[in-house]
Amino acid sequence: DTGVSQNPRHKITKRGQNVTFRCDPISEHNRLYWYRQTLGQGPEFLTYFQNEAQLEKSRLLSDRFSAERPKGSFSTLEIQRTEQGDSAMYLCAASTSGSGTGELFFGEGSRLTVL
Amino acid sequence: AQTVTQSQPEMSVQEAETVTLSCTYDTSESDYYLFWYKQPPSRQMILVIRQEAYKQQNATENRFSVNFQKAAKSFSLKISDSQLGDAAMYFCAYRSFMYSGGGADGLTFGKGTHLIIQP
Repeated sequence: DTGVSQNPRHKITKRGQNVTFRCDPISEHNRLYWYRQTLGQGPEFLTYFQNEAQLEKSRLLSDRFSAERPKGSFSTLEIQRTEQGDSAMYLCAASTSGSGTGELFFGEGSRLTVL
Repeated sequence: AQTVTQSQPEMSVQEAETVTLSCTYDTSESDYYLFWYKQPPSRQMILVIRQEAYKQQNATENRFSVNFQKAAKSFSLKISDSQLGDAAMYFCAYRSFMYSGGGADGLTFGKGTHLIIQP
């Protein structure tokens, strides 16, 4: 168990609908990352938080995507007006700054299917 | 920007045999981390082994070991005595030692190698 939980595990939605994914790391994880993984590819970086501050956003994160981490604990990733190209696995990862290991701990992912 | 290349989309090995997965990377940095992560079907990605670039000694974790060639920018994973539970996608990943923006604090992944274990 990595201590990072995500829900829902799988979401099926129709094109144009909004979806929200949630990530809950353990309290020691002050850094939180969102990645997107499509079939046959490695995960691609989307965005990064240190505590509640969103410090980095990839150009992959279009205006339809928004991520928050309001109290520096759990995080949400919302996709508005979903498109079929948004179908992917959305992975949350977390780490502790200053741990010295560089390791990221991953959740099980939230799989999005846009019909 | 850093890039990670895994040139083997799929590898197959007989149970109890040894297999080596290849990874090369490109960076202008001198200090960084390299990782191999394992992603079983429908399960969490978990760390297999980690290497700090400043360490010359190759990392070893039980049946898993790496061959880290810094000058060649090569980081291969050797799995000895392969077991059925080793079947998974394996991702090589790079992380900068110092946060420098542009997503560099996170991991840059290769496309992965699908490892099949033949019983």
